[in-house]
Amino acid sequence: GENVEQHPSTLSVQEGDSAVIKCTYSDSASNYFPWYKQELGKRPQLIIDIRSNVGEKKDQRIAVTLNKTAKHFSLHITETQPEDSAVYFCAALQSHAQNYGGSQGNLIFGKGTKLSVKP
Amino acid sequence: DSGVTQTPKHLITATGQRVTLRCSPRSGDLSVYWYQQSLDQGLQFLIQYYNGEERAKGNILERFSAQQFPDLHSELNLSSLELGDSALYFCASSVQPQGGTGELFFGEGSRLTVL
Repeated sequence: GENVEQHPSTLSVQEGDSAVIKCTYSDSASNYFPWYKQELGKRPQLIIDIRSNVGEKKDQRIAVTLNKTAKHFSLHITETQPEDSAVYFCAALQSHAQNYGGSQGNLIFGKGTKLSVKP
Repeated sequence: DSGVTQTPKHLITATGQRVTLRCSPRSGDLSVYWYQQSLDQGLQFLIQYYNGEERAKGNILERFSAQQFPDLHSELNLSSLELGDSALYFCASSVQPQGGTGELFFGEGSRLTVL
């Protein structure tokens, strides 16, 4: 099955600096890689995602890059703000063992990165 | 508000007991997923249902079971509870059976404490 490794587990940056979180995956068949943000005491929420036919995707201050050959993808946050402080999870889509006719799989998450942005 | 409802929000019980966690997905979502979040363990995938049928199993213990009912709500049953089962249990739903082409919407979670 799919295995997702995420680094670092904790990251502390100064407000305005950039933050980078890296993930690797094991299943070369995986084709979808979302990132979720979980604020303290809250539920995880999708912030950005990328599919395997794209190398990079940007949305304002956040961007995700994907290297299919190396099987790794990264989240980049520029001009960090205190409200960016949260736990960030990467994920990869694990394909179902059986063909359910359109049901592709389920998400396997990394262990998370706790980002702290200091004012 | 994600539209996914989980009950109860908090639950305290003793070792050896059995509990049931309930999840109502967003209106129109056919797929339900259960995840366990323990300290430093991220989001561990437990099980997925689509329109009442099991689609995938993750690291779900034999003491745990789940089902999705005709009205699409789902229940996660945890039995013979151990201290290590203490965790935050999330339910998530999506429109499509595949998490890849549909955003997962998470509920607020059910925090289980086993004493």
